[in-house]
Amino acid sequence: GNSVTQMEGPVTLSEEAFLTINCTYTATGYPSLFWYVQYPGEGLQLLLKATKADDKGSNKGFEATYRKETTSFHLEKGSVQVSDSAVYFCALRVISSGSARQLTFGSGTQLTVLP
Amino acid sequence: GAGVSQSPSNKVTEKGKDVELRCDPISGHTALYWYRQSLGQGLEFLIYFQGNSAPDKSGLPSDRFSAERTGGSVSTLTIQRTQQEDSAVYLCASSLVRGENEQFFGPGTRLTVL
Repeated sequence: GNSVTQMEGPVTLSEEAFLTINCTYTATGYPSLFWYVQYPGEGLQLLLKATKADDKGSNKGFEATYRKETTSFHLEKGSVQVSDSAVYFCALRVISSGSARQLTFGSGTQLTVLP
Repeated sequence: GAGVSQSPSNKVTEKGKDVELRCDPISGHTALYWYRQSLGQGLEFLIYFQGNSAPDKSGLPSDRFSAERTGGSVSTLTIQRTQQEDSAVYLCASSLVRGENEQFFGPGTRLTVL
């Protein structure tokens, strides 16, 4: 089956610190990989994605590279801001004939950035 | 434009009661998903609708859970004889079609079963 293992939180950083949230996956077939973010009081939003090996997704200063050899999709940001405080979810989706193509999520990582 | 909306935003019910949760997807989105976000289980897929095809119910945890989608738009998730373990945030998402199109999520309905 498909599964996502995500670095457990909570993670607390000072503003301008470097962020890494680890994510590894197990999948049957060829997954697309995603990072979703959930800001306080808001719904899940797509942060970035990568659809094939070696692709790099990026958005709002966040980056993640699809590493097939290590089955990983670690999220990084060089300098976090207070406004980045949120819960981050790693997810995958396998597209195959007849499947619902639902997202399989990791457990989420709570990030708090202190001023 | 309008995003995915869900109602109610919060629902408190007593054990054994039935509840209905509503999802209004983005206009024109043919694919609709229900997920559940709970402390013990994280984010789990429940059910999927695509156009007029039969729904994929493979994620429903028990036969107390059911969902329908009327006219290819609004969807209702029904939980019969609620149990305390049903307490969770129920999320709805929609997308244009299957494939790589982004799933847009609603704000969720927080269900508390006393």
